[in-house]
Amino acid sequence: AQSVTQLGSHVSVSEGALVLLRCNYSSSVPPYLFWYVQYPNQGLQLLLKYTTGATLVKGINGFEAEFKKSETSFHLTKPSAHMSDAAEYFCAVKGSARQLTFGSGTQLTVLP
Amino acid sequence: DAGVIQSPRHEVTEMGQEVTLRCKPISGHDYLFWYRQTMMRGLELLIYFNNNVPIDDSGMPEDRFSAKMPNASFSTLKIQPSEPRDSAVYFCASSFYSSGQGYTFGSGTRLTVV
Repeated sequence: AQSVTQLGSHVSVSEGALVLLRCNYSSSVPPYLFWYVQYPNQGLQLLLKYTTGATLVKGINGFEAEFKKSETSFHLTKPSAHMSDAAEYFCAVKGSARQLTFGSGTQLTVLP
Repeated sequence: DAGVIQSPRHEVTEMGQEVTLRCKPISGHDYLFWYRQTMMRGLELLIYFNNNVPIDDSGMPEDRFSAKMPNASFSTLKIQPSEPRDSAVYFCASSFYSSGQGYTFGSGTRLTVV
């Protein structure tokens, strides 16, 4: 079985502030983990992924995430938020199932 | 590669009409997924195919929904008859199995049933 929990359906940060979006997963096997971003009226776009190896992964647009097995977490961070980061973010896990399981999404608002 | 291509981008139809949504996956991808996204229910997996064969259709809401994949480069999602509660954005995505690459999503079809 596999599942994803995203804590906080809405997160607001000021421009220039740290972005932290939380994701916890459950998987019966070593997981692959993903973060996707969805801008308004667009499809989901892959931000970054963890498969094996280095637990700190870097993605596009300055985002990064750290796989912490002991905490079953894969939180997404960015040191300094930009107005263009406003979007919805989805965490996803692939464990033993053939398909990804997506979280319910976190809407990020960046305040000027 | 042009990515996953969906058509139409927008569809407005009257209740009771048949609606067909189309998807062209990325060449060489062996998995294809249909999702529905609404404000109330978020992102829902409807059905997915592996090598053109439907693997899991447990997410299809009811018999009014059907999906086909006649070949590796084309899939359709059909709703007949359509109802206002079917209004949503429908996404198609494709991937390689267990490549760790994740999915590539299309831009979606925004369906409005009036």
